[in-house]
Amino acid sequence: DVVLTQTPSTLSATIGQSVSISCRSSQSLLDSAGNTYLYWYLQRPGQSPQLLIYLVSNLGSGVPNRFSGSGSGTDFTLKISGVEAEDLGVYYCMQATHAIFTFGSGTKLEIK
Amino acid sequence: QVTLKESGPGILQPSQTLSLTCTFSGFSLSTYGMGVGWIRQPSGKGLEWLANIWWDDDKYYNPSLKNRLTISKDTSNNQAFLKITNVDTADTATYYCARIGTTGGYVMDAWGQGASVTVSS
Repeated sequence: DVVLTQTPSTLSATIGQSVSISCRSSQSLLDSAGNTYLYWYLQRPGQSPQLLIYLVSNLGSGVPNRFSGSGSGTDFTLKISGVEAEDLGVYYCMQATHAIFTFGSGTKLEIK
Repeated sequence: QVTLKESGPGILQPSQTLSLTCTFSGFSLSTYGMGVGWIRQPSGKGLEWLANIWWDDDKYYNPSLKNRLTISKDTSNNQAFLKITNVDTADTATYYCARIGTTGGYVMDAWGQGASVTVSS
């Protein structure tokens, strides 16, 4: 099974600070057709997860452009360029390259 | 507008079977490439993917739970279902269903509000 390891587990940031979250996969997420099915979600307190990034680097509908995704193979990064108060919550990466989906363990973003 | 809503028993006893229903609108599970997934989250913990069902009735399960899970759908009534047999306290969680859309690969692009399930004697 594919294991996704997120670091750090907790992140504390001030408003306006830029932060990055890492997601490392135990197997390559590149499929035979050249696609990489890696996604990022944000779960705000008391809410359902919402899509931020799809296919490594594509912004979800309505997602502010301060969010960006990058990476390939087994190493992926979510970057927030200028944290805002509404960004607090838990960030999860998820892979769907392999038919058995898996989520990372999550990164909690706290606002100082 | 895509919406999903989970429903379940709320509380059940150990060894019973948990039956969950996802009622959705704004898309059809008969559309090529479409799917519905089930995900759960124990209180204060992370997300755990459970199962997916696809437009062509293909099904995939979390290997750690596979023997206890059954996913199914009723396309005409826009519903998907998940059954978990022989529950115990470790199955206490909020259960979400999500649409797996056709744009952006296998993206879970819309989620329900979640259904809270407690297993207790």
